[in-house]
Amino acid sequence: DAGVIQSPRHEVTEMGQEVTLRCKPISGHDYLFWYRQTMMRGLELLIYFNNNVPIDDSGMPEDRFSAKMPNASFSTLKIQPSEPRDSAVYFCASSLTRNEQFFGPGTRLTVL
Amino acid sequence: ILNVEQSPQSLHVQEGDSTNFTCSFPSSNFYALHWYRWETAKSPEALFVMTLNGDEKKKGRISATLNTKEGYSYLYIKGSQPEDSATYLCAFPIYNQGGKLIFGQGTELSVKP
Repeated sequence: DAGVIQSPRHEVTEMGQEVTLRCKPISGHDYLFWYRQTMMRGLELLIYFNNNVPIDDSGMPEDRFSAKMPNASFSTLKIQPSEPRDSAVYFCASSLTRNEQFFGPGTRLTVL
Repeated sequence: ILNVEQSPQSLHVQEGDSTNFTCSFPSSNFYALHWYRWETAKSPEALFVMTLNGDEKKKGRISATLNTKEGYSYLYIKGSQPEDSATYLCAFPIYNQGGKLIFGQGTELSVKP
């Protein structure tokens, strides 16, 4: 398996634009997690899915953030409108129930 | 509120030194503890998943021990090398939340040649 795949790897956009981050989990994994890494807060969990269903979105910072998982092999994290304080590295991870998580390479987002 | 604490926050050692750091976690409702290695500009990678009290796991020069009764785990690196430089995270999965992880703040290890 290729591991968790994220795209794009780097995104530079202007304030107010819509940003969509994409993730393909490892085949067969039933959990998918979206994290954000910042200098101030370290690695924080935004939302996670079980069998494509959102379970806990308490980490999503505000209504500008939304995430979907239309099928077992694809998830998106959308920011609309984006703001400079959203600049961070966004990781997607997947796992089998209660096993270690496998992280994707991350998307480095810069909002100007 | 579940709290996972790691110490020290950072560690600077010379090549060849052996080192160890600590992860403290809630001893109640325990079912596993994870260790991850996170190199700069890369993504976290799982090192160990530990489940049994007294368990010891080893991968090359890195090993970890687990005490579930008192709620701590140690990570040891024998003969540190510059390529061991990374942040080492421990994480406590929550059983009834599908393994949602509570991460510690990490120990940042720097090994100087």
